[in-house]
Amino acid sequence: EAQVTQNPRYLITVTGKKLTVTCSQNMNHEYMSWYRQDPGLGLRQIYYSMNVEVTDKGDVPEGYKVSRKEKRNFPLILESPSPNQTSLYFCASRLSWGVTDTQYFGPGTRLTVL
Amino acid sequence: GQQLNQSPQSMFIQEGEDVSMNCTSSSIFNTWLWYKQDPGEGPVLLIALYKAGELTSNGRLTAQFGITRKDSFLNISASIPSDVGIYFCAGQYSGGGADGLTFGKGTHLIIQP
Repeated sequence: EAQVTQNPRYLITVTGKKLTVTCSQNMNHEYMSWYRQDPGLGLRQIYYSMNVEVTDKGDVPEGYKVSRKEKRNFPLILESPSPNQTSLYFCASRLSWGVTDTQYFGPGTRLTVL
Repeated sequence: GQQLNQSPQSMFIQEGEDVSMNCTSSSIFNTWLWYKQDPGEGPVLLIALYKAGELTSNGRLTAQFGITRKDSFLNISASIPSDVGIYFCAGQYSGGGADGLTFGKGTHLIIQP
């Protein structure tokens, strides 16, 4: 089954404790990205990757890092989480950057930073 | 990034009613997308529109790409309980940096039986 998976689905942590949210897709997609979803703000892009070893900032990259060492994986790293990073995070992938490619979303990771 | 205005923010309707929501932008887009998000899930693509003026249906859903390329609407006919969720529009442009995909803030659809 074609899918985007994220782990963990739920995470409660404390300020400053480094964490990683994993994302994996099995569709051989080149393009992957991370979004955060906050009430009243909709979906905002954090980082994206056009291919292996190619990453770039989205609209709200501060406080986040990503890496793309393999095509299927695109982990999101919070080196020193803060309470304002409490949010619902979605990983997404599509075949390429192209406008006609369907974007698939993962199930989401709900992060709470105390 | 570009801003999308999506309205209404929420809708409370009776089962069987038709629903209409729309998105407008100050900038033009090359593609308009409509997604639905069920509680606890990620957004799922409902309809994609690639040409100005295009009208596309997917079952009880109909969406149109505005002639000016700055707006789009989504209609749902004869709503049923499983239509409940958050509907997002998204516009995509081929120029510029970043993702080129901008999301609206969503329309919460609540259906009263």
